[in-house]
Amino acid sequence: SQKIEQNSEALNIQEGKTATLTCNYTNYSPAYLQWYRQDPGRGPVFLLLIRENEKEKRKERLKVTFDTTLKQSLFHITASQPADSATYLCAFLTDSWGKLQFGAGTQVVVTP
Amino acid sequence: GAGVSQSPSNKVTEKGKDVELRCDPISGHTALYWYRQSLGQGLEFLIYFQGNSAPDKSGLPSDRFSAERTGGSVSTLTIQRTQQEDSAVYLCASSSDSHSPLHFGNGTRLTVT
Repeated sequence: SQKIEQNSEALNIQEGKTATLTCNYTNYSPAYLQWYRQDPGRGPVFLLLIRENEKEKRKERLKVTFDTTLKQSLFHITASQPADSATYLCAFLTDSWGKLQFGAGTQVVVTP
Repeated sequence: GAGVSQSPSNKVTEKGKDVELRCDPISGHTALYWYRQSLGQGLEFLIYFQGNSAPDKSGLPSDRFSAERTGGSVSTLTIQRTQQEDSAVYLCASSSDSHSPLHFGNGTRLTVT
């Protein structure tokens, strides 16, 4: 069955540095990956979508890469700020009808 | 504009009771999803509705769980004879079509005592 893995350990990073999160998947070749942000007590919020034919996608201080050979997506937060502290989830489409499977998420803590 | 609305935000129930959780999706969104999130865990897919097609129920953990979507809009997730392991946050999401990003509500926190 399809499996999606994110680093379960929290990522502690100093303000101003770049945070890099990893999402690995197996037993599937998704047409695209999505990244979401989740704050405590709230539902996830969509950030970025990257398709299999795109190597990189950017949005403000966020950058996502997608390597279909490695079966991996990297999510970067540049010039990180304490307000970036949250849990970040990756998700991919597992069938043609639109079912999204999510990773468990990686918590990011940005300290001043 | 209004986002996805879920009610109640919190629900405490006794083991063995039935509960109904409600989701009001964004107007015009044809796709609607239910996920479950246990403490410190990822999102577990439960069920997916797309337009008038038959729902994808492949994630429902047992026959105690059911969901319906009336008139292509509001959805209700029903859990019968609740068990303690049903305690979790139940999240609803909608999207404009099956391949667009999801818009989530803030969930219903269910506690079964």
